[in-house]
Amino acid sequence: AAGVIQSPRHLIKEKRETATLKCYPISRHDTVYWYQQGPGQDPQFLISFYEKMQSDKGSIPDRFSAQQFSDYHSELNMSSLELGDSALYFCASSSPADTEAFFGQGTRLTVV
Amino acid sequence: AQSVAQPEDQVNVAEGNPLTVKCTYSVSGNPYLFWYVQYPNRGLQFLLKYITGDNLVKGSYGFEAEFNKSQTSFHLKKPSALVSDSALYFCAVRAYTPRGTYKYIFGTGTRLKVLA
Repeated sequence: AAGVIQSPRHLIKEKRETATLKCYPISRHDTVYWYQQGPGQDPQFLISFYEKMQSDKGSIPDRFSAQQFSDYHSELNMSSLELGDSALYFCASSSPADTEAFFGQGTRLTVV
Repeated sequence: AQSVAQPEDQVNVAEGNPLTVKCTYSVSGNPYLFWYVQYPNRGLQFLLKYITGDNLVKGSYGFEAEFNKSQTSFHLKKPSALVSDSALYFCAVRAYTPRGTYKYIFGTGTRLKVLA
């Protein structure tokens, strides 16, 4: 079965530019989570969606926004990029039947 | 607040020896605990979980974990380490949000190095 798909896998942007990261959850998973992992750090929770509505918000900057669409895919929009935004961004999904979350391969964002 | 702690940044073990990666938790109510593994530049792969039942849970790649309620611990173990087990290991807890959904909170990670 297909896992969580994230695109793009790698992204290079300049400071002050905008980036959009996409996440396609596992089929029939209704919850999506976004995490940010800086170099040598643990994944930090950014935001989550359940049934297309925001369910929780973590340490997500105001420059970032996200949404979940009718087909359950999610997009993380990042504006006015800063060098410190360079990180690995993970998306995960889960369903009511599962207790664990399944993670995508991540998008590596490099801001130069 | 619900959290997990991994007291060791790095664990070194010789190939063929048993390994233990430590995790302690702080939760209200019954804990849902997880172990994930991360290889370089890769996503987090689910290894195993504790929800209820037997304190010793078995997972992928020969790993197991022991839930100890009195010590609030959930240590990851493997009887015989392989060089290919070298990776970053994260303990996680599932925490409820104010809206009744949940999120996963990760420990700081432990780098396991298995020496040939």
